[in-house]
Amino acid sequence: DAGVTQSPTHLIKTRGQQVTLRCSPKSGHDTVSWYQQALGQGPQFIFQYYEEEERQRGNFPDRFSGHQFPNYSSELNVNALLLGDSALYLCASSPPDDSYEQYFGPGTRLTVT
Amino acid sequence: GEDVEQSLFLSVREGDSSVINCTYTDSSSTYLYWYKQEPGAGLQLLTYIFSNMDMKQDQRLTVLLNKKDKHLSLRIADTQTGDSAIYFCAESMDSSYKLIFGSGTRLLVRP
Repeated sequence: DAGVTQSPTHLIKTRGQQVTLRCSPKSGHDTVSWYQQALGQGPQFIFQYYEEEERQRGNFPDRFSGHQFPNYSSELNVNALLLGDSALYLCASSPPDDSYEQYFGPGTRLTVT
Repeated sequence: GEDVEQSLFLSVREGDSSVINCTYTDSSSTYLYWYKQEPGAGLQLLTYIFSNMDMKQDQRLTVLLNKKDKHLSLRIADTQTGDSAIYFCAESMDSSYKLIFGSGTRLLVRP
């Protein structure tokens, strides 16, 4: 039973560029959440997707956007990258009817230079 | 407001018990969680407790919740070197799906 998978593992981008990160949820899960974890900090909630719609959003600017596909996989897009966007981006998935239970993937390490 | 606080560091000897503490500020917390993060890895869900419970035990792990003091603890019995990691406390609240995390406690297990 595959867990949550994310791609790519690592990514280096230049300030001002755009990036797309991908997530496949655990088998049987229908809800995907995205978090940003800066070095030495706990994860910060970006948004959650359910039924292909953004269900809840944290305190992140509109440069952060997402999408969920019919197979429940999800993308996180960040436009106009800033140096401060360098972080580990974590995806978490939740089973039906229990969105409080979140299982995390290994993350994508984004470095903005 | 939403705030979760943890001590930064804990060092124990292999075979001893570890107790990691966490305080939270929002009394409407519904679930409280403990996650483990090893270097370069994602977060592993260890256990979670519903806010109407006082205690939950799962093998070597015991979670205690003092709702009056808004205090959560994780006890690891017979701590092993493989338990060395960062442990995050998190909360979620009614009608909210986001998890709010503390800054993590680094546990070092000495042989």
